[in-house]
Amino acid sequence: GAVVSQHPSWVICKSGTSVKIECRSLDFQATTMFWYRQFPKQSLMLMATSNEGSKATYEQGVEKDKFLINHASLTLSTLTVTSAHPEDSSFYICSARAPPAGGNTDTQYFGPGTRLTVL
Amino acid sequence: DAKTTQPNSMESNEEEPVHLPCNHSTISGTDYIHWYRQLPSQGPEYVIHGLTSNVNNRMASLAIAEDRKSSTLILHRATLRDAAVYYCILRDPNAGGTSYGKLTFGQGTILTVHP
Repeated sequence: GAVVSQHPSWVICKSGTSVKIECRSLDFQATTMFWYRQFPKQSLMLMATSNEGSKATYEQGVEKDKFLINHASLTLSTLTVTSAHPEDSSFYICSARAPPAGGNTDTQYFGPGTRLTVL
Repeated sequence: DAKTTQPNSMESNEEEPVHLPCNHSTISGTDYIHWYRQLPSQGPEYVIHGLTSNVNNRMASLAIAEDRKSSTLILHRATLRDAAVYYCILRDPNAGGTSYGKLTFGQGTILTVHP
């Protein structure tokens, strides 16, 4: 299957700093990427949809000024958590939409996730 | 989005088959059925997806009911590495606007595999 990477895999930062997380599709081009957040023992919650060359679409309740998304190329999307606070500590996961193969529908492939801890 | 219902948890023994059920009585004609699984502290892993016909791949099989209101993910021989949370998700690739391409995760089924 297609490979999606994330960097860093974990990060610890002080309250008030900004953290950037990268998501890359390694062997395919992704016009659409998605950012999810997952708190302990909970399911994944979609934060935003990132489209290459255009503004991201945020889910209801997600602050676009706090979670900045940039999708500057077909293989890279970044999520920047600005002025992070302890309540932003979570597992952040990206996914990339791979184009259809063999007449079937397109499929999403997920990155390994980034564990953010804000002190 | 059409919703799915899965049991909270299931248990299996190693090397035995596992049948993970999913109910989706409000599925629309254009919804695909997707299955993902998530191991602890990892991102979800794509397992399989289908529309109407049963599907097989190297990881699993997907059996879809004739009326498409339910489906079953089949792991033919469970291993300890199959212990994970399994998510059954409906997705309409033709949905426009902000829904396009979205996967909405429920709580999934926690599969425990005993040695």
